[in-house]
Amino acid sequence: AQSVTQPDIHITVSEGASLELRCNYSYGATPYLFWYVQSPGQGLQLLLKYFSGDTLVQGIKGFEAEFKRSQSSFNLRKPSVHWSDAAEYFCAVGVKGNTGKLIFGQGTTLQVKP
Amino acid sequence: DGGITQSPKYLFRKEGQNVTLSCEQNLNHDAMYWYRQDPGQGLRLIYYSQIVNDFQKGDIAEGYSVSREKKESFPLTVTSAQKNPTAFYLCASGRGGTSRTDTQYFGPGTRLTVL
Repeated sequence: AQSVTQPDIHITVSEGASLELRCNYSYGATPYLFWYVQSPGQGLQLLLKYFSGDTLVQGIKGFEAEFKRSQSSFNLRKPSVHWSDAAEYFCAVGVKGNTGKLIFGQGTTLQVKP
Repeated sequence: DGGITQSPKYLFRKEGQNVTLSCEQNLNHDAMYWYRQDPGQGLRLIYYSQIVNDFQKGDIAEGYSVSREKKESFPLTVTSAQKNPTAFYLCASGRGGTSRTDTQYFGPGTRLTVL
């Protein structure tokens, strides 16, 4: 069955430090992958997505993600974290078949230390 | 401004009551989705609709009902049959559920609390 795993429930980084959030997926074909961010009490905002082509994808707010088929991963990175990046981050994969459905990971909460 | 609106932002319900959560979009999207979010559990799909007058159950549809009479609107009713309705509810829309590449855009959410 398709699934998405975000191994880190909670991550704390210092402001200005680099960030990498991990995402692993289980899928039998070419995946369609997404990263969303959620501030407390708010909806989800799309950061970036991968459908095909270049495996390094650029998104909003200075984020990027790299698709690695051999590792079944789609890790999110940012070279220098800002205090405003503190939020919850969700990885998602498009479900097989023509439904438009997504499967979400459990989420990773990012805390930023001053 | 184009976007998705959900109302109310906060909703309180007594046990045994049905309540309806509103979701409206002006993005001209064909597909709409309802998710439930609980702490530490990510998002779980309740119902989705790919076109007007049609909808399908998601993974946790029991105790919920929906309608899709207009393209712009996809209201969710939480019935008294839902055993544990206290949660954060998110509505999303996308251009069309015809492929896995459909990108979903989310509303701001409604927090439902059962008293």
